[in-house]
Amino acid sequence: QVQLQESGPGLVKPSETLSLTCTVSGGSISSYYWSWIRQPPGKGLEWIGYIYYSGSTNYNPSLKSRVTISVDTSKNQFSLKLYSVTAADTAVYYCASSVAAYSYVVYWGQGTLVTVFS
Amino acid sequence: EVVLTQSPGTLSLSPGERATLSCRASQSVSSSYLAWYQQKPGQAPRLLIYGASSRATGIPDRFSGSGSGTDFTLTISRLEPEDFAVYYCQQYGSSPFTFGPGTKVDI
Repeated sequence: QVQLQESGPGLVKPSETLSLTCTVSGGSISSYYWSWIRQPPGKGLEWIGYIYYSGSTNYNPSLKSRVTISVDTSKNQFSLKLYSVTAADTAVYYCASSVAAYSYVVYWGQGTLVTVFS
Repeated sequence: EVVLTQSPGTLSLSPGERATLSCRASQSVSSSYLAWYQQKPGQAPRLLIYGASSRATGIPDRFSGSGSGTDFTLTISRLEPEDFAVYYCQQYGSSPFTFGPGTKVDI
């Protein structure tokens, strides 16, 4: 059973960079596609993008200009960087895993709330 | 981008009743790549259905999914107290993957 755990700052200032890391346990990072999904408070879910262990990525065009997802296979971790944040980026950020590039989410992290405020 | 619309927004039912949730796509969902998730307050979503009609591991058979093309349905045959939650559909047939706005099932 794959387990995912998000970590990173809970507060980010406007115009700065949001950085989160997801640590994978119970499974090989080479076996899945690794995604970030977010959910503003009281609202629905938004897919941000995914990465494969090889480094190939696919981003949501609505965020593509501000997002980088990377993977560190030696640490069994993958990361999210979201640049130039605004209050609209305040959300619970989930890391998640899928079995293929075009696939449903099998495993979810517990989520971490990131608030953008000055 | 495939836009998903869910109806109704809120479904008020009692335990033991049948719940029927709808998810409609703005264009045909490739290969019926449509999933349903359940989310309870303060928790991550949980996968219920994938491929429009396949139940995920450990999901009770009171949950069933159907549909193809642009119209999909999640049915809960007899509501249990633990089923009161928000349900989201997601299409993963074309990028960007998109979610519906959710249907809240409450008492």
